[in-house]
Amino acid sequence: GQNIDQPTEMTATEGAIVQINCTYQTSGFNGLFWYQQHAGEAPTFLSYNVLDGLEEKGRFSSFLSRSKGYSYLLLKELQMKDSASYLCAGSGGFKTIFGAGTRLFVKA
Amino acid sequence: DTAVSQTPKYLVTQMGNDKSIKCEQNLGHDTMYWYKQDSKKFLKIMFSYNNKELIINETVPNRFSPKSPDKAHLNLHINSLELGDSAVYFCASSHVAGLGTYEQYFGPGTRLTVT
Repeated sequence: GQNIDQPTEMTATEGAIVQINCTYQTSGFNGLFWYQQHAGEAPTFLSYNVLDGLEEKGRFSSFLSRSKGYSYLLLKELQMKDSASYLCAGSGGFKTIFGAGTRLFVKA
Repeated sequence: DTAVSQTPKYLVTQMGNDKSIKCEQNLGHDTMYWYKQDSKKFLKIMFSYNNKELIINETVPNRFSPKSPDKAHLNLHINSLELGDSAVYFCASSHVAGLGTYEQYFGPGTRLTVT
C-alpha cells in the first residue's frame, strides 16, 4: 500500500529552527517532495529528494532516507510568513501521493 | 504571465446540476493533473493526463469527466453534483512525469460549494 504520515500541527518561535518529519510506506516512489501551502492558496514547490541525503535551498533543507522511508523538512531562521501547511508527497511516474500536511504556527 | 490558471475561482451550485472547471497552463508542460482538497485539507489526486491522454484515474466516480483538447488545457466536467463534491479543486502541471521526477505547478484552485 501507499501511506504517508506527518504530524498534524507544530508550533515554533520566530528565528528558531524547526524540523517537520515525514514517514512513508510505499513502493514505486522515485522522488519525495515538499510543498508549502498558505491558507486559501495553492501548494507551491519547496524542495525534493531523489537520492538519499540532504538538499539545501536557502533557509529550507530536505533530507531523505529511502531505506528507512523517512524524510524531513528543515526550516531555519523562521519568519512569521512561514506559518503555513507543509505537505510531504511521494511521486512515482504519473502519480503523486500527498500526506495530510503539517500546519506550522510561527509565534513571535 | 500566469503559469497555471483556473476558472472559475468560486462556484456555488445546487445538487443535481452539471458544472465545468477550466484549466490552462503556459509552461509548456506535457503532464497535467486534477486534485481534490477536502475540508480536512487532504490533497488527493483524481486524474493525470500526459500529452492529452488519460494516464491515471484514481477511482473517481464517472460523474467526473476530464477532457484535454490539447496539452495546455485540462478541463473537468462534473455531472449530477452531490453535496460531497464540495471541495477545492486544483489543477496542476509538470514536465513529463513518466520520464523523471518533476515538481508540479498548481493553479489557484476552484472552490466548489454544492447546496
